[in-house]
Amino acid sequence: AQKVTQAQTEISVVEKEDVTLDCVYETRDTTYYLFWYKQPPSGELVFLIRRNSFDEQNEISGRYSWNFQKSTSSFNFTITASQVVDSAVYFCALYSSASKIIFGSGTRLSIRP
Amino acid sequence: GAGVSQSPSNKVTEKGKDVELRCDPISGHTALYWYRQRLGQGLEFLIYFQGNSAPDKSGLPSDRFSAERTGESVSTLTIQRTQQEDSAVYLCASSLVGLRGASTDTQYFGPGTRLTVL
Repeated sequence: AQKVTQAQTEISVVEKEDVTLDCVYETRDTTYYLFWYKQPPSGELVFLIRRNSFDEQNEISGRYSWNFQKSTSSFNFTITASQVVDSAVYFCALYSSASKIIFGSGTRLSIRP
Repeated sequence: GAGVSQSPSNKVTEKGKDVELRCDPISGHTALYWYRQRLGQGLEFLIYFQGNSAPDKSGLPSDRFSAERTGESVSTLTIQRTQQEDSAVYLCASSLVGLRGASTDTQYFGPGTRLTVL
């Protein structure tokens, strides 16, 4: 069965701190795709990144970085030097051809000024 | 328009009525997705269209839900005999090549339709 676990329900840090959001997934498929999405307080959903299972390269985009480790079935998301605008709910998701897109329950991130 | 648009933005209906929700994807995007988000809850995948392939309907919660897409343009999500548990924000997204394409493929979301079933 497919499963995505975001064990951190809520995280609160002070601005400029680094913060890592954890995402652990379960799948029996050898080809799958992982995603992160951001949902700020305004409610709009923003796609952040997608990673294919055959590409374990880590990704960096500005203050955002993603660490994909197949050995531990994790796809963690780190925000460096966090800012108040990073406050949002972040969702991790998994897709494979054998199953529908599965979302984690989300992590609510609050950045305090 | 430049982005994904959805209509209506809000819909209030009575239990038992049918509703249609519309999504206009970004022009040229071959992939289109429907998601649902109940109040205060996470996201649920509903259906995925990829070009002319048969849609992935694996997320539709019941046979009261159906969706159509004409070519690579507008999509309509229909909910028949609405129930109170159907109340949610329905989100549509589109992307250029879809789930099995390049990892750089970006999904663009519409503003959503807030459905309230009384």
